[in-house]
Amino acid sequence: ILNVEQSPQSLHVQEGDSTNFTCSFPSSNFYALHWYRWETAKSPEALFVMTLNGDEKKKGRISATLNTKEGYSYLYIKGSQPEDSATYLCASKPYSGGGADGLTFGKGTHLIIQP
Amino acid sequence: NAGVTQTPKFQVLKTGQSMTLQCAQDMNHEYMSWYRQDPGMGLRLIHYSVGAGITDQGEVPNGYNVSRSTTEDFPLRLLSAAPSQTSVYFCASSFTGSSSYEQYFGPGTRLTVT
Repeated sequence: ILNVEQSPQSLHVQEGDSTNFTCSFPSSNFYALHWYRWETAKSPEALFVMTLNGDEKKKGRISATLNTKEGYSYLYIKGSQPEDSATYLCASKPYSGGGADGLTFGKGTHLIIQP
Repeated sequence: NAGVTQTPKFQVLKTGQSMTLQCAQDMNHEYMSWYRQDPGMGLRLIHYSVGAGITDQGEVPNGYNVSRSTTEDFPLRLLSAAPSQTSVYFCASSFTGSSSYEQYFGPGTRLTVT
C-alpha cells in the first residue's frame, strides 16, 4: 500500500492571498499523480492528472507541479477566492501489475478562504 | 450521459444484515472502483476492477465482495454488516491508459449500521 501524505491538514487563508500545499508520495514504480477538488456535500472532481517529472499544469488561478524523482507535488492557488474553499486531495497510482495498483489517496488539505 | 450513478443515497442497516450498493456508469470506462470515506481517514480503496470479469482488492477489502459481469456495473456487497462499516461509500470510474486513470466519482451512498 502506498503512503501518500498531504500537508498541511487544514489551512485558513485571507481572500486575495495566494497559497500552496504539498503532496508527497513514493517515487518508486510511479505512474500518475492526481489532484482533486472536493466541495462539501459533493463528490471529488479532478483538477489535474500528471505523469511526467517536471510537469506543470494550470487551470485558471490553480496550478500544480510534479517531481517524480523526489516524490512530491505542489498545488498553488493564486489570489484565493471564497469559492476555492474545499478539500484538496491528491492520489498516486503505481504502474499496473503486481497487485495493489489502485489509486491511493492522501487525507487531503482542507482549505478555508476567509473574506 | 448520466455519468456515475449510485443507489441508494442513504441506507440504515442492522448488524448482521447484508445488502448491495449499486454503481453504474455509461461512459464505457474500463476501470471502476469503490472507496469508503471516514472522518480523518480520507478516501480508502476497497476493491477495484480493470474490466469485466476482473476484480482485485484494495486497501480495506475485508467484509466486502464485488463482481464485474458487465462494463457498466460494479456492485459492492456487504456480507454481514458491522458498525465499523458505517461510512460514506463512493464509486468511481475511469478510462485506463492515456487518461492516466482520471477518476469520475458518483454522488456517494451514506450507510449507517446500528
